[in-house]
Amino acid sequence: EDQVTQSPEALRLQEGESSSLNCSYTVSGLRGLFWYRQDPGKGPEFLFTLYSAGEEKEKERLKATLTKKESFLHITAPKPEDSATYLCAVQAGTALIFGKGTTLSVSS
Amino acid sequence: EAGVAQSPRYKIIEKRQSVAFWCNPISGHATLYWYQQILGQGPKLLIQFQNNGVVDDSQLPKDRFSAERLKGVDSTLKIQPAKLEDSAVYLCASSPRARYNEQFFGPGTRLTVL
Repeated sequence: EDQVTQSPEALRLQEGESSSLNCSYTVSGLRGLFWYRQDPGKGPEFLFTLYSAGEEKEKERLKATLTKKESFLHITAPKPEDSATYLCAVQAGTALIFGKGTTLSVSS
Repeated sequence: EAGVAQSPRYKIIEKRQSVAFWCNPISGHATLYWYQQILGQGPKLLIQFQNNGVVDDSQLPKDRFSAERLKGVDSTLKIQPAKLEDSAVYLCASSPRARYNEQFFGPGTRLTVL
């Protein structure tokens, strides 16, 4: 069964304290791994797509990496505005399967 | 460019009542998705349309949920009758023809079933 597991469920950081979020997956035939950001009361906002092991993508303070079994979202020197829920999803056939997300809180 | 529009934003109903949600996708997007997001969970795909045809509705509880996309543009999702466990945010997303990495989500409709 295709599955996505994210950890930790919640993460509290001080401003400037770097850390990583984990997304482990099992899927028959990965066609893409996606990271989204979701703010309270809003729909998910697309961040990155990764297609093959070893691939990396960067955007401002965020960097996503992919191995054969998991993906990491590295957050370097986070700011309070990075506080949000980060969702990981894999493409299985015609559908995206989402994890439960990691809720990140960054305090100043 | 206007984003995905959804209405209403909030809805409170009693169990066994019916409810309908509306979605207007980004202009020109051929693919439209409805997701259910229960509190503390990730979105779960309910149904995917390509133009006005259904591509995937394998996770749609068809005994109570229905959806249509007339003329390949707007879409409505209906629940009849609603159950307590249907309380969730219903998200609509659209993308250019089945390009999953380009899904744009609307703000969602928060449904509370009492």
